[in-house]
Amino acid sequence: QKEVEQNSGPLSVPEGAIASLNCTYSDRGSQSFFWYRQYSGKSPELIMSIYSNGDKEDGRFTAQLNKASQYVSLLIRDSQPSDSATYLCAVIGPAGNNRKLIWGLGTSLGVNP
Amino acid sequence: GAGVSQSPSNKVTEKGKDVELRCDPISGHTALYWYRQSLGQGLEFLIYFQGNSAPDKSGLPSDRFSAERTGGSVSTLTIQRTQQEDSAVYLCASSFSSGGGETQYFGPGTRLLVL
Repeated sequence: QKEVEQNSGPLSVPEGAIASLNCTYSDRGSQSFFWYRQYSGKSPELIMSIYSNGDKEDGRFTAQLNKASQYVSLLIRDSQPSDSATYLCAVIGPAGNNRKLIWGLGTSLGVNP
Repeated sequence: GAGVSQSPSNKVTEKGKDVELRCDPISGHTALYWYRQSLGQGLEFLIYFQGNSAPDKSGLPSDRFSAERTGGSVSTLTIQRTQQEDSAVYLCASSFSSGGGETQYFGPGTRLLVL
């Protein structure tokens, strides 16, 4: 089992819809969780970080963390064509691994106008 | 400086040559990572420097790859005797650990092409 898993997609949603991206992780000791966006040919950029169970909202983006079920999700409301990108989930590994970020392979999202 | 910088932005080399890739992290950031990303693929972890601790080299694919971080700042990734399969984008990221989370800031990458 991979440490951080994401569906590779592509996920396709119409403009204005809600896009839901999911990520599961294997280690219950994981502490910090991040969503990055990567446009084609560009470097990843941080969208949201979340550390506690529950929801965290920032504009059109909502991150949801459920440590009991070991998943973290990202919801994008009112999806726009400019949201089309690959979304990477990253997790701070268990204590003792020198706080190294563990990355999923990313989910490709396409928003159709 | 505003962000993480990397040089060169593009590098074309011949098979068998050595290359050096440079990363200047954000000032004050204690952690520095190197990743490799092939076209359409995910991030492949290479090496991780954290403060004065011994680097985590567990991701280096072969002994042709090495990296140094001088004075806790600038880092150089060296690839010896390059092979065509080394062609990829090499990304550097830095972070400052605070309060239980590390936000990584990425440089623009070096696009390496081995002919």
